[in-house]
Amino acid sequence: DTAVSQTPKYLVTQMGNDKSIKCEQNLGHDTMYWYKQDSKKFLKIMFSYNNKELIINETVPNRFSPKSPDKAHLNLHINSLELGDSAVYFCASSPGANYGYTFGSGTRLTVV
Amino acid sequence: AQSVTQLDSQVPVFEEAPVELRCNYSSSVSVYLFWYVQYPNQGLQLLLKYLSGSTLVESINGFEAEFNKSQTSFHLRKPSVHISDTAEYFCAVSERWAQKLVFGQGTRLTINP
Repeated sequence: DTAVSQTPKYLVTQMGNDKSIKCEQNLGHDTMYWYKQDSKKFLKIMFSYNNKELIINETVPNRFSPKSPDKAHLNLHINSLELGDSAVYFCASSPGANYGYTFGSGTRLTVV
Repeated sequence: AQSVTQLDSQVPVFEEAPVELRCNYSSSVSVYLFWYVQYPNQGLQLLLKYLSGSTLVESINGFEAEFNKSQTSFHLRKPSVHISDTAEYFCAVSERWAQKLVFGQGTRLTINP
């Protein structure tokens, strides 16, 4: 199936731990994104990569580090997790601004 | 910078009634406009989009939205809703040449039998 796939779907971890979320798209899109959806459902962009190059970094704490080994993958590593990091993280990809995005199904991160 | 305001956080309607979900945007340049739907515990799916041309755009499941430049609005409508339309709806804007979508706060549509 052509899609944006994220793993894991659920992630429960303790404060202070380091965790990673992986994202892969097989749509051939050049641009990939990470969005954070908080408990009130508000979606905010975190990062964007175009063909492995970082093009958007929206004042995200430097505990968050994206990595794009190739244009089909965009992973998110989070160091020293805090309670406020609990949210649903969505990966998305797009071939261009006027096409809209294709979203993954999300990773629900719970920090305890 | 662009911004989006969805005027209603929740909209309850009865099944088969019409519905309108309101969206206003702010931008100093030309924009693309989108509506996304998020069903419970799922990701976002593109419902419809306005790029240029006809100001009325339609989705395959009966929703439509009209771009109104003078009012900077992109309201979503459906003449008769079904229980299956229960979801969170997000309006989003992208400035032309921009590299990101900015989302509104979302509107929870609840359909009552």
